[in-house]
Amino acid sequence: SAVISQKPSRDICQRGTSLTIQCQVDSQVTMMFWYRQQPGQSLTLIATANQGSEATYESGFVIDKFPISRPNLTFSTLTVSNMSPEDSSIYLCSVRTGGNTEAFFGQGTRLTVV
Amino acid sequence: SQQGEEDPQALSIQEGENATMNCSYKTSINNLQWYRQNSGRGLVHLILIRSNEREKHSGRLRVTLDTSKKSSSLLITASRAADTASYFCAYNNAGNMLTFGGGTRLMVKP
Repeated sequence: SAVISQKPSRDICQRGTSLTIQCQVDSQVTMMFWYRQQPGQSLTLIATANQGSEATYESGFVIDKFPISRPNLTFSTLTVSNMSPEDSSIYLCSVRTGGNTEAFFGQGTRLTVV
Repeated sequence: SQQGEEDPQALSIQEGENATMNCSYKTSINNLQWYRQNSGRGLVHLILIRSNEREKHSGRLRVTLDTSKKSSSLLITASRAADTASYFCAYNNAGNMLTFGGGTRLMVKP
């Protein structure tokens, strides 16, 4: 299993500003992902965070808007840049140890943009 | 990523009753998983069923998988008020990416 510490747990931000979300895992994991969950919706994968290289983004998400860092196998950050009210969502960090294994999630960051 | 579909979207039952949630998907899969989310917090893994399995049990949970129909169901027996949450199916096709269903919001009334 993996224990994930994600922070901040929530924030209220002004439009046009940026917020960086941190994800710390208690063990080394190869696979780390960032998800967005819009109000009342399911989870949508933003990107796969790759250690030591650029993240792999899903369709509809771009690096300029959601820059991701992953300097090592236990830590990653997601930045939500130039925020607008449409970015108000829960952002979730997730890790897996293999393709046939369960995923572990952080507690999420509830972002409100005003 | 194309989401799977879940139904019902919302379900309200009395404590002690059983709750059944269904999930459909569109691609071939390696496994299908069910997760629970309380009040918009992080997801907790409930159960994983592999593509070569048809049924799996864990406590009060029973999951079935029909790969010919590309569907799965989650049954919670003898529900409790503490089971109130959103439940999501997620499937793993090629690669390591999980695709999530739309979710079912379950309310169990005391």
